[in-house]
Parts: sequence; C-alpha cells; structure tokens
Amino acid sequence: GAVVSQHPSWVICKSGTSVKIECRSLDFQATTMFWYRQFPKQSLMLMATSNEGSKATYEQGVEKDKFLINHASLTLSTLTVTSAHPEDSSFYICSARDPSGRADGELFFGEGSRLTVL
Amino acid sequence: ILNVEQSPQSLHVQEGDSTNFTCSFPSSNFYALHWYRWETAKSPEALFVMTLNGDEKKKGRISATLNTKEGYSYLYIKGSQPEDSATYLCASSNQAGTALIFGKGTTLSVSS
Repeated sequence: GAVVSQHPSWVICKSGTSVKIECRSLDFQATTMFWYRQFPKQSLMLMATSNEGSKATYEQGVEKDKFLINHASLTLSTLTVTSAHPEDSSFYICSARDPSGRADGELFFGEGSRLTVL
Repeated sequence: ILNVEQSPQSLHVQEGDSTNFTCSFPSSNFYALHWYRWETAKSPEALFVMTLNGDEKKKGRISATLNTKEGYSYLYIKGSQPEDSATYLCASSNQAGTALIFGKGTTLSVSS
C-alpha cells in the first residue's frame, strides 16, 4: 500500500515559537492531503485540506494565519504552527487519499506528530 | 456538519471472545463509510470502505456491515486475539472526494 511519512513524531517547544511538521508521500503522488488534529479523548478533527499548487482549504474555526499549510510538491505538505501557545498542544496527523484516485478511496496516514508547547 | 458516533468507547475481552462495535452516522447525503484500525505508535490503517446499503465486507476474522438507510455500521471481530488490541475508527463522508469525518473510536483490549 501507499506510504505516508510524517516528521517529527514529537516536538516540545517554547511558547511563542513556530513549529513545522512535514508530511511526505513516499511512493506515490498526492495532490490532496488532509491535516487532522486530535485532543485527548476526542475524535480526529479535520483542520484543513491541502492542495498541491494552490491554497489550502481551512475548516471553520481553524486560523489560517496560525496554521500555515504549504503543499509545494506532489509529495510534500507542511503544517507550520506559528507562535505556538500551550493550547496548541495536540496530536497532529496528516493523510493522503488512495493514489488510484477513487473518490471513495481509503486514506493513508502518517505516523502523527505530538506537539507540546511549554 | 456530519456527526459520527461510535460505541462503546472502550471494551475489554478475553482471547477467543467475539465482539462487535457500532458506528452511527447521518443517513442523509451519505457517500462512504470507512473503518480504520489504529494500533498504538502506528498509523491508522484502513480495514474497509463501504458505499452501498447492505454492503458486507470481510477480512480474515473481521467483518463489517452497512445500513445507509438507518445510518449505522457494525464491525465484528470473531475469536479476538491479543493482536487485535487497537482503537477502531469509523469515518463517514457525504460527498465524493471530501474529507472524512471521524468518530472518537472504540478501543479494544484483548487479554490472553
């Protein structure tokens, strides 16, 4: 199956700093990637849809200026948490759709990144 | 906005027991229902993708059914093994190509 790699797995940073999370499709091209966030005991919540070569589409309530998404190539999408604060501490995970292009295709996930902001 | 609910939140069974979980979702404008298995420290992996009412899919000891008219899906595990211990996620979409909306998951623990 398709492989998605996410880095870093976990990161601790000071309040006010920015953190970049990378999501790579290793053996296929992903025109669309999805970024999810999960708080403890909650479901995976969609933050934004990342589209190669165009602006990301953000879900309601997600600040686009705080969570910068760049999808500059068909194999890499990045999420940058700018001026991170403790309330941004969460588990962030990316996914890409089945490379066959089927609209109902399964998602392939990265390993996720746990962010802790001190 | 889709609201996907899963129950139970967690359960603990003995090796060899059979078990099942429930996923409920809005039946209006339904497009697809996904089940994922998420082991600790690993990536979620797809088990099934179902789109048609009455769909039944099977993979080894795990099977799933879908009722789109009433908005629910069941996941069954026959003869649970310790390696089945994981969180099982259900997700639904209401339009082709749109992102999935996930439930909170059911965490299964199987003891030997």
